[in-house]
Amino acid sequence: EIVLTQSPGTLSLSPGERATLSCRASQSVNNIYLAWYQQKPDQAPRVLIYGASNRATGIPDRFSGSGSGTDFTLTISRLEPEDFAVYYCQQFGHSPWTFGQGTKVEIK
Amino acid sequence: EVPLVQSGAEVRKPGESLTISCQGSGYNFPNYWITWVRQMPGKGLEWMGRIDPFDSYTDYNSSFQGHVTMSADKSVSTAYLQWSSLKAADTAIYYCARVIRLGWGWYFDLWGRGTLVTVSS
Repeated sequence: EIVLTQSPGTLSLSPGERATLSCRASQSVNNIYLAWYQQKPDQAPRVLIYGASNRATGIPDRFSGSGSGTDFTLTISRLEPEDFAVYYCQQFGHSPWTFGQGTKVEIK
Repeated sequence: EVPLVQSGAEVRKPGESLTISCQGSGYNFPNYWITWVRQMPGKGLEWMGRIDPFDSYTDYNSSFQGHVTMSADKSVSTAYLQWSSLKAADTAIYYCARVIRLGWGWYFDLWGRGTLVTVSS
C-alpha cells in the first residue's frame, strides 16, 4: 500500500498569504495518478487538481499543483476567505487507492 | 453537473444489516466507475473500493473486503453499499463518487452529499 504523508498537519495563515502544502508518497507515483481535493465542513470533497498539475473545471488559477515521483505540492498563491478548509492528496497508481491524512488551512 | 444522489441517514443497531444507495443522473451511468469513500467522525478520507457498473467488477480495499459488498444496477443507474452485520466502528459518513480516467489524469469528479450511518445499541 502506498502511504501518502501530508505536511504540515495544520497551516495557520492570513488571507492574501501563500500556502504551500506537501504530499510525500512512500513509493513513486505516476503523475497521472495524483489528485488534490478540498473539503469544507459538512460538505463533500471537491477536486482541485488532477494529474498532479491540471486544474479541474472551475478551479481558480490561484491553485496550482506540481511535483513528481514521491514529492508533490499544492500551492495556493493568495489565500481567499473561502480557501480555509482541509486539503487531501490522493493516489490512484496502486490499489488500494489512498488518501493523505489531510492538511488543515486555518485562519491565523 | 448534478451530484450523485445518495440515500438518507440511517440508524442501526450492531449486528443489523444495511444497504445504502447512490444514483447517478444526466450521464451514461455504465460508462464510469463508482467509488465509495468513508469518513469517520472528525477523521480523514478512506477509500473503500470501486465498482464498474457496466459489468459489476469490483476492486476492494483489503481493509474493507469481507465486511462490505458493493453492487450496481445499471438499469436504474444506482450503486449500492451493503453491510450484513454492522459494528459500532462503522459509524461514519459514506460518500460515493464518480471516477474519471483520462490519459493525463484520474480523479473523482462528481460526489454524493454523503450518507451518515450511525450504529449504536
